[in-house]
Amino acid sequence: KAGVTQTPRYLIKTRGQQVTLSCSPISGHRSVSWYQQTPGQGLQFLFEYFSETQRNKGNFPGRFSGRQFSNSRSEMNVSTLELGDSALYLCASSLESAGGSYNEQFFGPGTRLTVL
Amino acid sequence: AQKITQTQPGMFVQEKEAVTLDCTYDTSDQSYGLFWYKQPSSGEMIFLIYQGSYDEQNATEGRYSLNFQKARKSANLVISASQLGDSAMYFCAILGVYDYKLSFGAGTTVTVRA
Repeated sequence: KAGVTQTPRYLIKTRGQQVTLSCSPISGHRSVSWYQQTPGQGLQFLFEYFSETQRNKGNFPGRFSGRQFSNSRSEMNVSTLELGDSALYLCASSLESAGGSYNEQFFGPGTRLTVL
Repeated sequence: AQKITQTQPGMFVQEKEAVTLDCTYDTSDQSYGLFWYKQPSSGEMIFLIYQGSYDEQNATEGRYSLNFQKARKSANLVISASQLGDSAMYFCAILGVYDYKLSFGAGTTVTVRA
């Protein structure tokens, strides 16, 4: 079974631009989460989607947004990029049972975004 | 809200020896899950082991075992017979049932010496 895939793997943008990152979960997984990883702040939760609904959102400005499609693929968008948005963006998917039990979250390879 | 504390920023271990990585957590939830991930320099987060808060037995996965002490709110990872390929950053994380998110610790860098 293929793992979580993220595209692109590397991205260089300039301040003020916007960027869209894509995540394809493991087949059958309906929950997709996004995390930002920086040396200073560590791993921080951005948002989580399940069946096209955002169930939770982290403490990030409105420039960060996301969505999930009917096939569970997800995208996140960052508008008006700032230098501090340079980070590794990780996507994770999980197979969530109807009972909401704790399923392992499997991560993709990440997208490394550099803002110049 | 959940919080994870990993107090060891870095550790050195000799090849073939065991190493214990500390993790303490704080949560007000009665039901939660604890995870350990490995992150090599390539950046990918690799799932290692999971422990549910109601699991009575400590989780084990190959060379990885989790020393779960619920009353002390600790979930230490033990890596037995360390290999050079174990050199990486290790993260402890907690998942709350109503949060739908993982809260991570700061991580511990493990360096395995030949």
